[in-house]
Amino acid sequence: NAGVTQTPKFQVLKTGQSMTLQCAQDMNHEYMSWYRQDPGMGLRLIHYSVGAGITDQGEVPNGYNVSRSTTEDFPLRLLSAAPSQTSVYFCASSSNSGNTIYFGEGSWLTVV
Amino acid sequence: SQQGEEDPQALSIQEGENATMNCSYKTSINNLQWYRQNSGRGLVHLILIRSNEREKHSGRLRVTLDTSKKSSSLLITASRAADTASYFCAFVKAAGNKLTFGGGTRVLVKP
Repeated sequence: NAGVTQTPKFQVLKTGQSMTLQCAQDMNHEYMSWYRQDPGMGLRLIHYSVGAGITDQGEVPNGYNVSRSTTEDFPLRLLSAAPSQTSVYFCASSSNSGNTIYFGEGSWLTVV
Repeated sequence: SQQGEEDPQALSIQEGENATMNCSYKTSINNLQWYRQNSGRGLVHLILIRSNEREKHSGRLRVTLDTSKKSSSLLITASRAADTASYFCAFVKAAGNKLTFGGGTRVLVKP
């Protein structure tokens, strides 16, 4: 049982490039979410999903797309990276939104 | 904007002392959770307290919840150097399904 696995751990992008952060969980959780964490701050919700085929916007969705074709996977796409998207990204999952959330180890993204 | 606020933002104590941090929020909640984050790592769940509960314990951790004041506190007793981390509160709104985080408290426990 690997929990929540996200890749890559580190990535440097040039402004305007696109990339996908991968997230997978093996706990059969329905609820998955993506957060970003900026220096000295808490986590802000980007997008979330309450089940396969269902996604919704969080607090800071602009510049990001998500999809949830399977229960296990919840990729986060940056279509045209901007320096303001330099941050640490965390994927998380739980059996439902009110229960304990399990986090991945984070992906450090730098946009230059 | 952060809908949860934590206080203090940073805390420095000696090993063996207690550490207390507070979290305030603005809406009715379903539950409130506390997480710990070591430097460069993901968040680890510590305790979940539901809106109808007032106090919960887990080992050296004690969490209180006062829904009338819309606040919660986390107490770490007999702190250890290994408790050095950032601690975040997070809550689920009563009518929603999203977890909203506070800004965190950075705790340094000096040996």
